[in-house]
Amino acid sequence: GAVVSQHPSRVICKSGTSVKIECRSLDFQATTMFWYRQFPKKSLMLMATSNEGSKATYEQGVEKDKFLINHASLTLSTLTVTSAHPEDSSFYICSASGQNDQPQHFGDGTRLSIL
Amino acid sequence: QKEVEQNSGPLSVPEGAIASLNCTYSDRVSQSFFWYRQYSGKSPELIMSIYSNGDKEDGRFTAQLNKASQYVSLLIRDSQPSDSATYLCAVKGGGYQKVTFGIGTKLQVIP
Repeated sequence: GAVVSQHPSRVICKSGTSVKIECRSLDFQATTMFWYRQFPKKSLMLMATSNEGSKATYEQGVEKDKFLINHASLTLSTLTVTSAHPEDSSFYICSASGQNDQPQHFGDGTRLSIL
Repeated sequence: QKEVEQNSGPLSVPEGAIASLNCTYSDRVSQSFFWYRQYSGKSPELIMSIYSNGDKEDGRFTAQLNKASQYVSLLIRDSQPSDSATYLCAVKGGGYQKVTFGIGTKLQVIP
């Protein structure tokens, strides 16, 4: 099946640090990539959708300058949490899909802890 | 506003029973339907895709789709404790439309 690789799996860092998370589709070309965050025992919350070579579309309430998304190729998207603070601590998950009716395939997620 | 509705549960079934998970959606033009399983602390894993009316079986899993009723379900036969997880229903429109997820139903299989 389709494989999406996400790393790092866990990050612990100090407040004010910027953190970059990578998401790669390993065996298919990802037309679209998605970034989610999830708090404990809560549902997935879509943060943004990105298409290769174009600017990401952010969901309402998500700060573009805080969460920088780059989708430079059909296999790689990155999420940078800039100047992270403790309230940014969460489980961040990327997913990728091919064209048309293809499902989204998820990475393993990144658990971010800001001290 | 496209909506996908699921009962959050928990749904408790005894080991060996059939677990029935249900989902309704609001967008009539939806074309693709997916079920994901998410274990606590892990990311979602795709377990079934269904695109046309009727049943689709894969091992112990059967997905059922009724577009007229805007209803999709997942049956898990011979439920095992390892099936205990949250099951997410996801619906996609045509073309490049994004997938809309339900909140998920938490399933507990009691040994």
